[in-house]
Amino acid sequence: AQSVSQHNHHVILSEAASLELGCNYSYGGTVNLFWYVQYPGQHLQLLLKYFSGDPLVKGIKGFEAEFIKSKFSFNLRKPSVQWSDTAEYFCAVTGGSNYKLTFGKGTLLTVNP
Amino acid sequence: DTAVSQTPKYLVTQMGNDKSIKCEQNLGHDTMYWYKQDSKKFLKIMFSYNNKELIINETVPNRFSPKSPDKAHLNLHINSLELGDSAVYFCASSATGDQPQHFGDGTRLSIL
Repeated sequence: AQSVSQHNHHVILSEAASLELGCNYSYGGTVNLFWYVQYPGQHLQLLLKYFSGDPLVKGIKGFEAEFIKSKFSFNLRKPSVQWSDTAEYFCAVTGGSNYKLTFGKGTLLTVNP
Repeated sequence: DTAVSQTPKYLVTQMGNDKSIKCEQNLGHDTMYWYKQDSKKFLKIMFSYNNKELIINETVPNRFSPKSPDKAHLNLHINSLELGDSAVYFCASSATGDQPQHFGDGTRLSIL
């Protein structure tokens, strides 16, 4: 069975600081990897995804993530955060024949102005 | 032109009641899902349907019964509601099972 762990429960940054949110997964086969964002009181939105090819993927709003297969990691980065990035961030993975999407427990990012 | 819409947005009811949440997507997707998000924001899949056929059924009490009349709709019926059912329920859809999922706005269910 696949699982996802996100190392940080709550990250607090000041505006313009750089961001890296950790995500590790466990699954023996081929995976598709995603980062979703949930702004306060809203639904989940896709930030970026990795299926294959270049392990460095760029998403919306200046976010990027790097897939490192040897480390089973898919960390999310942004060079300079803004107050509007305050949200809950979820790493997720699908694998196997039923394509079940498994989420990590989420990381709450608070950006102080 | 909402892509994934679910109703109602809020549902407040008493223990023991039966309630339904409806979900519709206008994206032409083949696969639809129900997720439960608890008070700690943890998201867990409950069910997944592909072209009206159940393909994922996680360990969910059988008080929860999904129904997919067609591939654009996936409704969730809950019998004999319990306090622990209080959560936000999200519907989602994707073109195929491995593609990114589009989420509805959620239904906040509160059991008194």
